[in-house]
Amino acid sequence: ETGVTQTPRHLVMGMTNKKSLKCEQHLGHNAMYWYKQSAKKPLELMFVYNFKEQTENNSVPSRFSPECPNSSHLFLHLHTLQPEDSALYLCASSQVTSGSRDEQYFGPGTRLTVT
Amino acid sequence: AQKITQTQPGMFVQEKEAVTLDCTYDTSDPSYGLFWYKQPSSGEMIFLIYQGSYDQQNATEGRYSLNFQKARKSANLVISASQLGDSAMYFCAMREGMYTGNQFYFGTGTSLTVIP
Repeated sequence: ETGVTQTPRHLVMGMTNKKSLKCEQHLGHNAMYWYKQSAKKPLELMFVYNFKEQTENNSVPSRFSPECPNSSHLFLHLHTLQPEDSALYLCASSQVTSGSRDEQYFGPGTRLTVT
Repeated sequence: AQKITQTQPGMFVQEKEAVTLDCTYDTSDPSYGLFWYKQPSSGEMIFLIYQGSYDQQNATEGRYSLNFQKARKSANLVISASQLGDSAMYFCAMREGMYTGNQFYFGTGTSLTVIP
């Protein structure tokens, strides 16, 4: 596998379910990100992990819980979601350096539908 | 206020023609980076081009070039010789500050359709 992979690609869950999204990067990067992409809205940054430490949490509801066990893996644990949480969830990684260029590399996303 | 503004929700271009996708940004930080991404229907965001705020030259990557007008705070993407595979959503993004772990801000995107 190369780049950034995400599983599953599609997920349908009820509001009482518990599920997890998985992201893995094979690029040797030291930062990973979760984004939410809803129709007609800009990408919303949810969580950032630099060097495995969470550095950003943009007021995300507690029903979303991230986990970063190492610099290559990132999880998003989901529980008691709401229908408005239905969206495309994108994972990204980047190499944080002292320079200014740090493009993020994205996975294919998980299309989540909450019923 | 929006950090990134893309005013063209949808654009059409004839195959082999050039097209410009608009992007304006808002920041008071003198150090920032500007990025363009392409998102095909498959969903994956693909990095296209980068422009640093201190770069003197406009960035170019193959058929992609960035028309960087700092005083106007605009960073328009120019795609030359459009191909059918260029049909996708295009997002402009900005990272404020020199620390490369800072948050990215994305625009709402422009949907580009290339007509044969």
